[in-house]
Amino acid sequence: SQKIEQNSEALNIQEGKTATLTCNYTNYSPAYLQWYRQDPGRGPVFLLLIRENEKEKRKERLKVTFDTTLKQSLFHITASQPADSATYLCALNSGGYQKVTFGTGTKLQVIP
Amino acid sequence: SAVISQKPSRDICQRGTSLTIQCQVDSQVTMMFWYRQQPGQSLTLIATANQGSEATYESGFVIDKFPISRPNLTFSTLTVSNMSPEDSSIYLCSVGTSGGQETQYFGPGTRLLVL
Repeated sequence: SQKIEQNSEALNIQEGKTATLTCNYTNYSPAYLQWYRQDPGRGPVFLLLIRENEKEKRKERLKVTFDTTLKQSLFHITASQPADSATYLCALNSGGYQKVTFGTGTKLQVIP
Repeated sequence: SAVISQKPSRDICQRGTSLTIQCQVDSQVTMMFWYRQQPGQSLTLIATANQGSEATYESGFVIDKFPISRPNLTFSTLTVSNMSPEDSSIYLCSVGTSGGQETQYFGPGTRLLVL
């Protein structure tokens, strides 16, 4: 069955460092992959989308890589700030009107 | 982008009762989606609601338990019927930017506790 794995353990990093979150998937051929941020008591907020034919995408301090051979995406936040503390979800879709499947998320804590 | 509001934001309900959750979007959209997020879990799609047709339910979710209405292009409701404590969850609606689920915008969610 299709499976998306994100590190369930919280990631604690020092302010100013680069945070790297991992999303691995199996039995899936995604057309694109998305990353969302979710704060407690709020709905997810879209951050970045990367397509299967793209290796890397950047937006301000955020960078996403997508390796369809390794079946893995890495999400980087450079120069991390305490305000970046949140849960980050990856989501995969096979394209078109296919259902999007979400991972369980990784909680990031940036320590001042 | 789309701005989505949900009502109520939270509720505490008794077993056996029903709750209707409203979702309002500030622009017209073809497809709206309803998700459930149980404590510590990720989002699970309940159903897709298209205006003018019956909602499409995912495996494990049925219309009798989660009836959905979609009267126009900016509004939808999800009813959680005959509730049990297992229905305690956060319920979220979302819309997609291109009709499908690419780049979704989510509402703030409705936190439901069933006693």
